[in-house]
Amino acid sequence: EVQLVESGGGLVQPGGSLRLSCAASGFTFSSYWMSWVRQAPGKGLEWVANIKQDGSEEYYVDSVKGRFTISRDDAKNSLYLQMNSLRAEDTAVYYCARQGRQWLAYSYWGQGTLVTVSS
Amino acid sequence: DIQMTQSPSSLSASVGDRVTITCRTSQSITSYLNWYHQKPGKAPKLLIYAASILQSGVPSRFSGSGSGTDFTLTISSLQPEDFATYYCQQSYSTPFTFGPGTKVDIK
Repeated sequence: EVQLVESGGGLVQPGGSLRLSCAASGFTFSSYWMSWVRQAPGKGLEWVANIKQDGSEEYYVDSVKGRFTISRDDAKNSLYLQMNSLRAEDTAVYYCARQGRQWLAYSYWGQGTLVTVSS
Repeated sequence: DIQMTQSPSSLSASVGDRVTITCRTSQSITSYLNWYHQKPGKAPKLLIYAASILQSGVPSRFSGSGSGTDFTLTISSLQPEDFATYYCQQSYSTPFTFGPGTKVDIK
């Protein structure tokens, strides 16, 4: 059974940093692009970033470029999101998701981890 | 970036109704269009990918159509478990933008 379990969320002050983790199991992690998607309270879904199987390519939404870094450790079946210079507008539930191979849809999602940026 | 619009933004319907939600993109995405629904406090669930392919395990009352810039999700007979928010998403080019959502609630 495919499982994605996020951790690392919490309360952080504006300008602070946080590192999210996503532990994957039930599939060959190294064979898939992986992504982060977020959802601000009461709002819609926002795609944040993705990373290629070997970590050689990364893409980001403009609003997080230069502040967030996606990475992976295939030996640990884990995906990460390093978030620096956090702003109030980064407050959201962050989901990790597995990207499909052909049509790139997200058929597997974690349960999400809440990040709150507030003083 | 590819912009996404959905209509309507919300609708009220009864069990058994036929429901149609449309999604439009700012440029052609061929068939790289996916549909999800989401219930409060839960992760999104994939319903349709590649514009018209039903995800495994999803009931056949859901169907998708379209290509290029205009897409449609249809629920042929709305069931109680279908009351949720529906999102389209393009996976043609990064950032893989989502539509703003359509909330389907009980009339």
